Amino acid sequence: EVQLLESGGGLVQPGRSLRVSCAASGFTFDDYAMHWVRQAPGKGLEWVSSISYNSGGMGHADSVKGRFTISRDNAKNSLYLQMNSLTAEDTALYYCAKDIGPAPSYFFDFWGQGTLVTVSS
Amino acid sequence: EIVVTQSPATLSVSPGERATLSCRASQSVSNNLAWYQQKPGQAPRLLISGASTRATGIPARFSGSGSGTEFTLTISSLQSEDFAVYYCQQYENWPPLFGQGTRLEIK
Repeated sequence: EVQLLESGGGLVQPGRSLRVSCAASGFTFDDYAMHWVRQAPGKGLEWVSSISYNSGGMGHADSVKGRFTISRDNAKNSLYLQMNSLTAEDTALYYCAKDIGPAPSYFFDFWGQGTLVTVSS
Repeated sequence: EIVVTQSPATLSVSPGERATLSCRASQSVSNNLAWYQQKPGQAPRLLISGASTRATGIPARFSGSGSGTEFTLTISSLQSEDFAVYYCQQYENWPPLFGQGTRLEIK
């Protein structure tokens, strides 16, 4: 059974940094691209970042480019999102999501339960 | 970027009846469109990809149709567990964008 378990969310002040993580199990992690998708409270879904199976390709939404960095450690079956220069607009539930293949196809067949990031002073 | 717009924002339907949800893309996405279901307090779940291919374990009462710019998700006979928010998403080109969602509520 595919499981994605996010962690690392919390309350952070504007301008500060935070790293969220996703622990994957139930599938061969290094065979698949992975993504982060976020959802602001009461709002819709926004794709944030993607990374290919071997970290050879990465992409970020314009709204986070230059501030967020996606990475993965295939030895640890883990996905990460380093978030710098956070603003209130980054407040959201951050979901880890699995792609269907090694390169991003940009749709998501399994999702974790999310980790909440709140940016506030 | 290719924007997707869903309608209606809210749909009220009685259990056992058919629900039809629409999604329109600002330009052609071929059949590169997915549908997700999200229940309160839960993560989204993939229902449909390729505009019409049901994901593993999705009941046959869910069907997707369309291509190009006009797409439909049909739920043939609504069950109580189907009342949720539904999102469409285009993955034809970057960035992948979601619609704003349709809330399906009990009439």
